[in-house]
Amino acid sequence: DVKVTQSSRYLVKRTGEKVFLECVQDMDHENMFWYRQDPGLGLRLIYFSYDVKMKEKGDIPEGYSVSREKKERFSLILESASTNQTSMYLCASSFLGQGATGANVLTFGAGSRLTVL
Amino acid sequence: AQSVTQLGSHVSVSEGALVLLRCNYSSSVPPYLFWYVQYPNQGLQLLLKYTTGATLVKGINGFEAEFKKSETSFHLTKPSAHMSDAAEYFCAVSDRGTGGFKTIFGAGTRLFVKA
Repeated sequence: DVKVTQSSRYLVKRTGEKVFLECVQDMDHENMFWYRQDPGLGLRLIYFSYDVKMKEKGDIPEGYSVSREKKERFSLILESASTNQTSMYLCASSFLGQGATGANVLTFGAGSRLTVL
Repeated sequence: AQSVTQLGSHVSVSEGALVLLRCNYSSSVPPYLFWYVQYPNQGLQLLLKYTTGATLVKGINGFEAEFKKSETSFHLTKPSAHMSDAAEYFCAVSDRGTGGFKTIFGAGTRLFVKA
C-alpha cells in the first residue's frame, strides 16, 4: 500500500513562528499536494508539485510556501504563523498517467492539526 | 478554472432509503472526477472515479455515480442507506494545469443515516 506519512499529528505554535510541516511518500509518485481542511469549506488546495523542484500555486497560497528537493518529500512552510492558519493540513500524493488505472487518485496522509495561539 | 459545487452541506436519510449526493463541476478540459469519503476520525479514501469510457461508475460499498457531460454533473447514489454510510463525502475534479494534474474538492456533504 502507498504510504503518505506526515511528520507531526498535532502542533501548537505561537503567532509569528515559522512552521514546517513535512510529508513523505514511499511509492515514487510524481504529484504531491498540500490541502487545508476546515469545517464547511472542504479541502482547499494550497500548493501542489508535479516534479522535483516544481511547484504550482493552488487556490489559497498566501502565507504559505513549499519545498520539494527530493521526489518523496514535500514540505509546507508557514513563514510567520497567524491564528487564521489554525487548521487541519492534509498531504496527498498521486502518480501521473492519463487513463492508467489509479492515475491521479490521491492517497492522503493522516493529517497534521495545527493550532496557532 | 476548475470548480466543484456540492449541493447541500448536510443530507439526512433513513436507513434503507435512497442516498443522493449532488455534485456539479466546471472544467475547461475533459476532467477526471472522483468521490472521496471520510469516516469519523479517519482519513479520506477513494469511493469511486470517472476517467473515460462508461459514464456510470461503480464504487465501493454499493455506491455509484453517473457522469453527465451535458449537465456537468457527477451525482453519487446508493439504493439503500446503511448506518455505516454516515460520513462526509467529497466530490473532486482533476485536470491538467500548467504543469501537472491539479485536484480540486468541493465543500463536502455530511450524510446522516437515521435508524
